[in-house]
Amino acid sequence: DSGVTQTPKHLITATGQRVTLRCSPRSGDLSVYWYQQSLDQGLQFLIQYYNGEERAKGNILERFSAQQFPDLHSELNLSSLELGDSALYFCASSGRTSLSVNEQFFGPGTRLTVL
Amino acid sequence: GDSVTQMEGPVTLSEEAFLTINCTYTATGYPSLFWYVQYPGEGLQLLLKATKADDKGSNKGFEATYRKETTSFHLEKGSVQVSDSAVYFCALSDYSSASKIIFGSGTRLSIRP
Repeated sequence: DSGVTQTPKHLITATGQRVTLRCSPRSGDLSVYWYQQSLDQGLQFLIQYYNGEERAKGNILERFSAQQFPDLHSELNLSSLELGDSALYFCASSGRTSLSVNEQFFGPGTRLTVL
Repeated sequence: GDSVTQMEGPVTLSEEAFLTINCTYTATGYPSLFWYVQYPGEGLQLLLKATKADDKGSNKGFEATYRKETTSFHLEKGSVQVSDSAVYFCALSDYSSASKIIFGSGTRLSIRP
C-alpha cells in the first residue's frame, strides 16, 4: 500500500459527459501528479500540483483540468468525454519540496471507460 | 526533450531463467532513474532506483546499474519466478522535467512454470 488513495476505482460513462477523479496523497506529501495510461499512448504525465499551485503541465487536453485543495487532496476533471479518453488514470505524490527529484508513490488508479 | 527507450515485449521466459530488460535514456541534465512494476490489475510500484552514475539499485533480486557512459539502466534478475510476471517500466526524472516522471513504453514479462 503506497498510502495514496484514488476514488472511484472504476468509472463508466457516456461520450460528452463530465467526470471527476479524486486523489488523496500520502500524509505530508505536498506534490500531486496525474498520469494517464492508455493502450496507444502508454503512460503520460498530465499535470503536477505543489501545495495548491500548478507546477508543471504535460500532455493535458484543454477539456481536462485539475486542482489541489487546501487539505492537499486533488481532483482531475474530465469534460466532453470522448471514446479515446478511456484509460487508467493514476495519481502520484511525492515529498516536501517541489524542486528536488523525489520518489513518487502511485495510487491504484481509476479506470475510466467511455461508451 | 528527455525520453526513455526500453525493449519491446512481450518477453516470455521459463522459471529460473536469467532476465535482462534493456533500457536507454536521453536527458539534458543528470536524471534519476527508476524501474517501476505493474502487476496485473494493480497500480505502479517502485521496484528500484538509482540517483547518480554507477549507482546500483536493487530489490527483490532485481538489479540495475546507472551507466552514464552508455546512458543505460538495464534491469536484470538471475532467476525469475512465476510471481515476477508483470509489466516493467523504465523511467527517469530530473530538474529539467520539473520532477515529472517520463516512462518508457513498458515491457510485459511472462514466466512459465
